[in-house]
Amino acid sequence: SQQGEEDPQALSIQEGENATMNCSYKTSINNLQWYRQNSGRGLVHLILIRSNEREKHSGRLRVTLDTSKKSSSLLITASRAADTASYFCAVPGSARQLTFGSGTQLTVLP
Amino acid sequence: GAGVSQSPRYKVAKRGQDVALRCDPISGHVSLFWYQQALGQGPEFLTYFQNEAQLDKSGLPSDRFFAERPEGSVSTLKIQRTQQEDSAVYLCASSLGYGAGANVLTFGAGSRLTVL
Repeated sequence: SQQGEEDPQALSIQEGENATMNCSYKTSINNLQWYRQNSGRGLVHLILIRSNEREKHSGRLRVTLDTSKKSSSLLITASRAADTASYFCAVPGSARQLTFGSGTQLTVLP
Repeated sequence: GAGVSQSPRYKVAKRGQDVALRCDPISGHVSLFWYQQALGQGPEFLTYFQNEAQLDKSGLPSDRFFAERPEGSVSTLKIQRTQQEDSAVYLCASSLGYGAGANVLTFGAGSRLTVL
């Protein structure tokens, strides 16, 4: 079973617009990560946010974490066609693995 | 190499055949993970190695799945008597530290298995 669940499942926007995707999880965590996956490729790490952080930036990415609501959001500003990919949130699992959500498929139209 | 390497990239097997998927992690990475990813879904955890020790195999779907990492570097995922439901992309990931709690995973490109 997957602890993290992303919303929406799919998102289509025009180039230059901002894209926001959300992640909800079930148990207490000490950090949350976001990964990107281009079609036919492996996942690439984007950003890690710790439980004592509310917001973190990396380039055009902005991640928020609300531990009271057990939710996180990923904002991509000024999107580009190259941002087209699936985006996954991941939280530490019950053992030592990362547990991934089902992902948001983002399509950025030129 | 600079990244995680997986082979083969594509494998077609007839139902009942055995397959072996190989993962070359980043040199020096202690932790190695195998994940299974069905089409349109997120990766599902299969098993975890810390060096040569398989510390968690709770995600392996059946006793037809077997993984090893005998020398603490290269790992092989073996699937015996493949079934159609085994069709998926198998992803390998490694990390420098122990476990994945606060460590970043580096993924390979995956091995896509199709069972006919």
